[in-house]
Amino acid sequence: DIQMTQSPSSLSASVRDRVTITCRASQSIRSYLNWYQQKPGKAPKLLIYAASSLQSGVPSRFSGSGSGTDFTLTISSLQAEDFATYYCQQSFSTPMTFGPGTKVDIK
Amino acid sequence: QVQLQESGPGLVKPSQTLSLTCSVSGGSISSGSYYWSWIRQPAGKGLEWIGRFYTSGSTNYNPSLKSRVTISVDTSKNQFSLQLTSVTAADTAVYYCARVDFWGGHGDSWGQGTLVTVSS
Repeated sequence: DIQMTQSPSSLSASVRDRVTITCRASQSIRSYLNWYQQKPGKAPKLLIYAASSLQSGVPSRFSGSGSGTDFTLTISSLQAEDFATYYCQQSFSTPMTFGPGTKVDIK
Repeated sequence: QVQLQESGPGLVKPSQTLSLTCSVSGGSISSGSYYWSWIRQPAGKGLEWIGRFYTSGSTNYNPSLKSRVTISVDTSKNQFSLQLTSVTAADTAVYYCARVDFWGGHGDSWGQGTLVTVSS
């Protein structure tokens, strides 16, 4: 199985801060990397697919980059509704695996 | 816009079989553009991919669960189902069904999730 790691595991930030979350795969997954946002009691919501493609309806302050084994999710100006947990997921091979998550909370 | 809705018992006894159904509306489960998947999440923990079904009839399962999992489809009802046998407390989780893009593997539509507790 491909192992996914994320850093940091949690962070505290303020509204309008720039936030960066890193995801690393245990082997190359080319660009088969997706990012999800999950709020308490809700299903994950797709933000970014194929490493850098913005899902329809997702605000442009979210962006993704990377390929191979190292990937980044950036929120350019954090908004109140962005406080949530973020997961990366590799879809290069089965079993599809998720990172452990990064919780973004209010400073 | 496609919508997915999980249904099934919220409480299952240890050693019994967990059975859940995902009803799909606003799109056909026979579409060749998507896989239909199950994912679960124990309380306070991360996401675990259980498996997926494709309209051709092919399935893929997580090896950690493979011997206990079956995903099947009822195209006449536009539903797909999960069966997990010989459950233990470790199978207690919120179970999600999701539509997954065939080419990219990203889950673009998810059900709201259903909590299944394994307890006697």
